[in-house]
Amino acid sequence: KNQVEQSPQSLIILEGKNCTLQCNYTVSPFSNLRWYKQDTGRGPVSLTIMTFSENTKSNGRYTATLDADTKQSSLHITASQLSDSASYICVVSPDYGQNFVFGPGTRLSVLP
Amino acid sequence: DSGVTQTPKHLITATGQRVTLRCSPRSGDLSVYWYQQSLDQGLQFLIQYYNGEERAKGNILERFSAQQFPDLHSELNLSSLELGDSALYFCASSPGTSDTYEQYFGPGTRLTVT
Repeated sequence: KNQVEQSPQSLIILEGKNCTLQCNYTVSPFSNLRWYKQDTGRGPVSLTIMTFSENTKSNGRYTATLDADTKQSSLHITASQLSDSASYICVVSPDYGQNFVFGPGTRLSVLP
Repeated sequence: DSGVTQTPKHLITATGQRVTLRCSPRSGDLSVYWYQQSLDQGLQFLIQYYNGEERAKGNILERFSAQQFPDLHSELNLSSLELGDSALYFCASSPGTSDTYEQYFGPGTRLTVT
């Protein structure tokens, strides 16, 4: 069964600190993996999209890594800001048919 | 602002009723996606349309249907509503069918079934 797991479920950090969020998936065959940021009650916003051949991709202070062999991805946030407080969702596409398997998300709270 | 618009923002209706949610994609985008986000199940992909044709189907119930019109706006029809259908419904759009295109999400429609 295609599944995406994320850890931790929630995380609290102080402003200015770094953090890393994890995503493990069992989706196969694998097409691409996306990370989204979602503020409460709002639509998700794309952070990165990686295909199986990419190991790392950055978007400002956000850096995603992908290990297709171990089926793991991580999202590293550098020098966190209060505005980074949100849910971060990992999404994996199992095939070329544009289906999407969503992880449950990690709820990040950045405190002053 | 993603450029994707959804109406209405909020909808309250009773069980057994039928509702229609509307989505207008970003200018120039041909693909429209529908998603459901509930508290207990998270985000789920429902269906995708590309230039008026159904392209991919996810976990969409038989009571739900969608279509994309010639002007590329899309509607999601939900019928015989149940309490469990209460959720946020998001629409997203992208330029084409490539699965590596970025998707732009609308603000969502919050549906409450009482």
